[in-house]
Amino acid sequence: NAGVTQTPKFRVLKTGQSMTLLCAQDMNHEYMYWYRQDPGMGLRLIHYSVGEGTTAKGEVPDGYNVSRLKKQNFLLGLESAAPSQTSVYFCASRGTGRGTEAFFGQGTRLTVV
Amino acid sequence: AQRVTQPEKLLSVFKGAPVELKCNYSYSGSPELFWYVQYSRQRLQLLLRHISRESIKGFTADLNKGETSFHLKKPFAQEEDSAMYYCALGDAGNNRKLIWGLGTSLAVNP
Repeated sequence: NAGVTQTPKFRVLKTGQSMTLLCAQDMNHEYMYWYRQDPGMGLRLIHYSVGEGTTAKGEVPDGYNVSRLKKQNFLLGLESAAPSQTSVYFCASRGTGRGTEAFFGQGTRLTVV
Repeated sequence: AQRVTQPEKLLSVFKGAPVELKCNYSYSGSPELFWYVQYSRQRLQLLLRHISRESIKGFTADLNKGETSFHLKKPFAQEEDSAMYYCALGDAGNNRKLIWGLGTSLAVNP
């Protein structure tokens, strides 16, 4: 069982470069989320999706874009990376039904220099 | 407003001591509450959810609607319990978002 897989695991970008983080889940979950985790700030929601072809903004969407062309994949894009986007990024998916848990990817550690 | 508060950023206890990680929530409606654990440099994983009323790794958590709390407890802490613990509140709306506390870092000292 792969669960939720994120690629890449690590990346160093120069300011102004772009990149795409890929999240793939094999549990047929409708809901998918992208978070960033920074010291002392917990998990902050960047964007989320409630199903294939849908996306919505979370708490901290500026500087990021997302797409969900296929149900199992949720892509997070940084068009022009900034040092403030240095963080650990986590993807999660969740099924329907009350009390269902969210499954997380292993994280992507991104450094923007 | 929906909110989760974990008042302690850091909690340090000795091995064998009882531990309680506090979580208070604000939610209008019937809440879904979870505890997640993150070991060093690993992914978050579910520890407990209130609807299951289970004990995992010796941890328990009881939902107290009167005090709007879902505190995590363990009678005898172990060194391997050292981790970051997050309390989360499930939004029952159609976006199924989870609202997160800021986390409590638990250090269990030998």
